[in-house]
Amino acid sequence: NAGVTQTPKFQVLKTGQSMTLQCAQDMNHEYMSWYRQDPGMGLRLIHYSVGAGITDQGEVPNGYNVSRSTTEDFPLRLLSAAPSQTSVYFCASSKSQGWQPQHFGDGTRLSIL
Amino acid sequence: TQLLEQSPQFLSIQEGENLTVYCNSSSVFSSLQWYRQEPGEGPVLLVTVVTGGEVKKLKRLTFQFGDARKDSSLHITAAQPGDTGLYLCAGANSGGSNYKLTFGKGTLLTVNP
Repeated sequence: NAGVTQTPKFQVLKTGQSMTLQCAQDMNHEYMSWYRQDPGMGLRLIHYSVGAGITDQGEVPNGYNVSRSTTEDFPLRLLSAAPSQTSVYFCASSKSQGWQPQHFGDGTRLSIL
Repeated sequence: TQLLEQSPQFLSIQEGENLTVYCNSSSVFSSLQWYRQEPGEGPVLLVTVVTGGEVKKLKRLTFQFGDARKDSSLHITAAQPGDTGLYLCAGANSGGSNYKLTFGKGTLLTVNP
């Protein structure tokens, strides 16, 4: 059972570069979300999607874009990487509502130099 | 903005000791989830509590939801090194357009052999 798969696991970027963090789930979950985890800050919601074609902003959306063309995939794009975006990024999914228990991927550790 | 305060932030104990971790808010939540996160992995759901005053047990872990549904506690009896990890609480609100979970910043537990 794959669950939620995130790629890559590690990435180093230079300031100003762009990249896409991939997230895929095989549980047919409607709700998907992206969080970032920083020391002392807990998990903060970046963007979320309640179904294919529908996305919305979370608590810290600036500098990130998302799209949801299929139920399975929810990529997160960094438009122009900044050192403040150095973090561990987690993708999560749940059956239908964001308040239901979340299934998390193992994260992408991103460093911006 | 709903906030969840977790205490203590760090806890280091010896194997066999008991401990309690707290999750407090001034807001009412319809349900509250507890997750455990191990290094290099995403959070994994331990339990969801829904009813005010509810108590749930998971082997040596006891979870309680406050009567007013504003706070929760996690009690571990006879802690073991395998209990080491980051414990996160997350409050949820159902209904309407609020699809988001609010996470606390976590309690980092270290159980020494």
